[in-house]
Amino acid sequence: DIQMTQSPSTLSASVGDRVTITCRASQSIGIWLAWYQQKPGKAPKVLIYKASSLESGVPSRFSGSGSGTEFTLTISSLQPDDFATYYCQQYNSYWTFGQGTKVEIK
Amino acid sequence: QITLKESGPTLVKPTQTLTLTCTFSGFSLNTTEMGVGWIRQPPGKALEWLALIYWNDDKRYNTSLKTRVTITKDTSKNQVVLTMTNMDPVDSATYYCARLGHFRGRFFHYWGQGTLVTVSS
Repeated sequence: DIQMTQSPSTLSASVGDRVTITCRASQSIGIWLAWYQQKPGKAPKVLIYKASSLESGVPSRFSGSGSGTEFTLTISSLQPDDFATYYCQQYNSYWTFGQGTKVEIK
Repeated sequence: QITLKESGPTLVKPTQTLTLTCTFSGFSLNTTEMGVGWIRQPPGKALEWLALIYWNDDKRYNTSLKTRVTITKDTSKNQVVLTMTNMDPVDSATYYCARLGHFRGRFFHYWGQGTLVTVSS
């Protein structure tokens, strides 16, 4: 089974900061990676799919990059609505989520 | 408009079997490459994929739960059903159903609101 490891687990940042979250796969998954945002009590919402494709309606401050085993999600300028938990997910072989990264207000 | 909604018991006893139903609209599970899956999330913890069923009745299961989980579909009712046997308190979680991205990819594009299941005697 493919394992996904995110870092950091928690991130404290201020509005306007540039934020980067890393996701590593235990084996190559090509570009078959998605990023989700989840707010308390809500279902996850897809932000990025195929490693770098921005989902329709998602602000352009979100971007994804990487391939193989190393991936990043970047928020170019953190906004108040972005404080949430972020998950990566591989879909190269079945489906596996990372453990999540909580973005908190500094 | 694509919607999914989970339904089922909110409380089950240890050793009992859980049956959850995902009722969806706005798409058909008869469509080629379509798939609907189940994902769960214990309180304060990460998401865990459980099972998925494709339009052609092909099924995939999380290997760690394969012996306890069954997924089926009723395309006439637009429903996908998850059963999980021998429930334990560690299975307490919010259970989500979600649809794949179809030709955009096999990520989970549309999600239900989730249903909280508590396992307790």
